[in-house]
Amino acid sequence: NAGVTQTPKFRVLKTGQSMTLLCAQDMNHEYMYWYRQDPGMGLRLIHYSVGEGTTAKGEVPDGYNVSRLKKQNFLLGLESAAPSQTSVYFCASSTGQQNNQPQHFGDGTRLSIL
Amino acid sequence: DAKTTQPNSMESNEEEPVHLPCNHSTISGTDYIHWYRQLPSQGPEYVIHGLTSNVNNRMASLAIAEDRKSSTLILHRATLRDAAVYYCILRDLSNQAGTALIFGKGTTLSVSS
Repeated sequence: NAGVTQTPKFRVLKTGQSMTLLCAQDMNHEYMYWYRQDPGMGLRLIHYSVGEGTTAKGEVPDGYNVSRLKKQNFLLGLESAAPSQTSVYFCASSTGQQNNQPQHFGDGTRLSIL
Repeated sequence: DAKTTQPNSMESNEEEPVHLPCNHSTISGTDYIHWYRQLPSQGPEYVIHGLTSNVNNRMASLAIAEDRKSSTLILHRATLRDAAVYYCILRDLSNQAGTALIFGKGTTLSVSS
């Protein structure tokens, strides 16, 4: 099983450039999440989605946009990249039945903004 | 979600059991105890979760104190692949679904051959 797949795995951008990170899951999960992890810190939630066509803000949403046009995909966009957005980005998914359900993570996208 | 306290680091030898402790003295009745781990250069991986009774799965066992103020993740035979950061996280079942997992600093487990 592929689980949660993130594309790309690595990327280097210049300040002001834009890009989109793709997350795909094959587990038919309702909920999907985007986190960022900075050195020495825990994961912080950027945006999440409770189903196709819906998105919501997390703890650190500024500078990012998301879309969930298909149930299996969750896209994270950076419209104008800034050095402060240098981080490792993780996507996760879970079933929507209860808040108790485990989240399944991808292997991350390592993004550097110069 | 209530807070948890874990030791910063622990060491183990290969093929020995490992007991990773977690204190959660302010746990509420609707909090589930979850454990995740993060191997180097990988995303977090779900390990196990429980409410009141001890739980076993193919990866580990979870022992929960009778008063639920502490728990212990048990790896029965550590392997080199088990070297990771282990996170103990409380999840309030009464919260709206879609809330973030709150990762603390966790316990860094080192395994020697």
